[in-house]
Amino acid sequence: EIVMTQSPATLSVSPGERATLSCRASQSVSSNLAWYQQKPGQAPRLLIYGASTRATGIPARFSGSGSGTEFTLTISSLQSEDFAVYYCQQYNNWPHLTFGGGTKVEIK
Amino acid sequence: QVQLVQSGAEVKKPGASVKVSCKASGYTFTSYDINWVRQATGQGLEWMGWMNPNSGNTGYAQKFQGRVTMTRNTSISTAYMELSSLRSEDTAVYYCARGRFGEFGWGQGTLVTVSS
Repeated sequence: EIVMTQSPATLSVSPGERATLSCRASQSVSSNLAWYQQKPGQAPRLLIYGASTRATGIPARFSGSGSGTEFTLTISSLQSEDFAVYYCQQYNNWPHLTFGGGTKVEIK
Repeated sequence: QVQLVQSGAEVKKPGASVKVSCKASGYTFTSYDINWVRQATGQGLEWMGWMNPNSGNTGYAQKFQGRVTMTRNTSISTAYMELSSLRSEDTAVYYCARGRFGEFGWGQGTLVTVSS
């Protein structure tokens, strides 16, 4: 099983600041990496797939980068609606998907 | 519009089984895979398995092998996830998600509570 490790577990950021979230895979997943956002009481929402392609309707302040085992999600200027939990997910080992443990982005 | 609507919350006793449904609308049900993912309260996302609604082929996470069964009824565009031998650790919200990795949207979730 491919293990996905996210860091940090919690990120405290002020509105308008930049947030950088990391995700590491235990083995190469090529670019088969997605990022999801989840708010309390809601289902996850796809932000990024293919490591760097924004999903439909996702604002340009969200960007993804990386390949192989190291990935980054950057939120360039945090808005109030961006405070949430973010998960990375590998689908290189399809159909066996795995998620990272999540990073909570909270208001500083 | 495209929707995945899941069945309502369930309360089950340890050792029992639960069957959660996921009704698709707004698209051709057999054209997209369905994945099942669960989330215990305050915890992360855990993939359980995958089903191809066209062929009925399935693949399960090793953790759930032998306890989970994913099926479908194409005539009513509905996918099902049945989990047996329930224990308290199975208390979670269960989601269905459309696409190879859930990229085309998720259901609203179904809370399954396992309690004696």
